[in-house]
Amino acid sequence: NAGVTQTPKFQVLKTGQSMTLQCAQDMNHEYMSWYRQDPGMGLRLIHYSVGAGITDQGEVPNGYNVSRSTTEDFPLRLLSAAPSQTSVYFCASSYSIRRYAYEQYFGPGTRLTVT
Amino acid sequence: DQQVKQNSPSLSVQEGRISILNCDYTNSMFDYFLWYKKYPAEGPTFLISISSIKDKNEDGRFTVFLNKSAKHLSLHIVPSQPGDSAVYFCAAQRRETSYDKVIFGPGTSLSVIP
Repeated sequence: NAGVTQTPKFQVLKTGQSMTLQCAQDMNHEYMSWYRQDPGMGLRLIHYSVGAGITDQGEVPNGYNVSRSTTEDFPLRLLSAAPSQTSVYFCASSYSIRRYAYEQYFGPGTRLTVT
Repeated sequence: DQQVKQNSPSLSVQEGRISILNCDYTNSMFDYFLWYKKYPAEGPTFLISISSIKDKNEDGRFTVFLNKSAKHLSLHIVPSQPGDSAVYFCAAQRRETSYDKVIFGPGTSLSVIP
C-alpha cells in the first residue's frame, strides 16, 4: 500500500495562476480531506468528501475547488493563486463505519509558494 | 476564535522523564478527541484517541486523559525518548453528527533532550 500520495511536493506560482494539487489513496477510504498548515494556526480544513460525488466546505474554503469523481482521487484546485495561499497543504483519508470517520492518514504534503 | 487550544507552543523534557502536553477546547459538543504527531517535512500521523464516554485511554507509553467538565485533555508520554521530539496536534470532532469537521489545535513542539 502506498497510503496517501500527493503531487507535487513543491510548487511556486505567480499571483493569478491556477493549478491542481493531486491526492490519491489506495486504502478504499470513503472520507478524504484537504488541510492547510500555517505557522501558529494548526491544520485548517479546506474541503472534505464523504464519498465519490459528495464534497463539502471546511473552515477555509474560499479560493479552492474540489471534486471527487472516484473513491481514490481528491484533487484540490486553486482558481487564481494569491500570496495568502502560500502554505503547506496536506491531504488525508480515513475509513468509516456507519458514517463515523476514524483517525486520518495524511499524505507527505505539498509546499506551495505564491509570489 | 480557536475552538481547540494548545497554549504551550513548545516544551522541553529530559529523556526518561514524563512529557505532558495539554489541550483545551471550547465546544461542549465535541465527543471524540485525537492526538497526532508530526515530524518535519512529513504528514501528521495518528497517535491516540479518546471518546467522550471515557476519561482515560492508554497505548504503551502514551496515555490521554479527558476532563469533560473542564473541557481539557492531556497527553502523557512516559518515559520520554529522543524520537518523541516532534510537533503534537490535538484534534476534536463531533462524531455523533457524522463526518463533522475535525478541528485541530495549533500544535506543541516537544523536544526530548538526551
